[in-house]
Amino acid sequence: ELKVEQNPLFLSMQEEKNYTIYCNYSTTSDRLYWYRQDPGKSLESLFVLLSNGAVKQEGRLMASLDTKARLSTLHITAAVHDLSATYFCAVVLYRSARQLTFGSGTQLTVLP
Amino acid sequence: DTGVSQNPRHKITKRGQNVTFRCDPISEHNRLYWYRQTLGQGPEFLTYFQNEAQLEKSRLLSDRFSAERPKGSFSTLEIQRTEQGDSAMYLCASSPTGDTIYFGEGSWLTVV
Repeated sequence: ELKVEQNPLFLSMQEEKNYTIYCNYSTTSDRLYWYRQDPGKSLESLFVLLSNGAVKQEGRLMASLDTKARLSTLHITAAVHDLSATYFCAVVLYRSARQLTFGSGTQLTVLP
Repeated sequence: DTGVSQNPRHKITKRGQNVTFRCDPISEHNRLYWYRQTLGQGPEFLTYFQNEAQLEKSRLLSDRFSAERPKGSFSTLEIQRTEQGDSAMYLCASSPTGDTIYFGEGSWLTVV
């Protein structure tokens, strides 16, 4: 059974600070997703990481994937209040494109 | 807007009643997914369609749940004899290839 663990689950950070959210998964996968969710809203796709060593950046967010360590990171640079949301990572079983297994989410609050 | 569309957005129903949700995927997306999300948790996979074929179902999908995708376009998710434990947000998603998966706004179900 594929398990996906995120940490931390809750994160309060000051504006302009940097921080990293970690996503570990338990079995081989070749695809990892990061999503953002605002309260009461649906999920917004942030990144899709398709290979070992993949790194993608968009604005203040950067995601990376290490398939050997079964680890992805979402790095936040110089946080701003608008980044406050819940961030989920999700993994697809190796060679299966059919279902995402999500982590429990990291609730990020950026304080002024 | 050409995103994934879900209806109704909110539904309050009495325990024991049947409810049906509809999902219109992004045009020409042949992959369609249903997920369920409860407060404070990540989404959980329910079922997957490729065109009109339902190729995968989660063990979460009890016999009270049924999903269809006639003609490979829109999809419906029906819950029969609703229970309070069915209260959740039901998310539909679609994808052309499985690389990027786009979620709809979700349908909130409250069973009273």
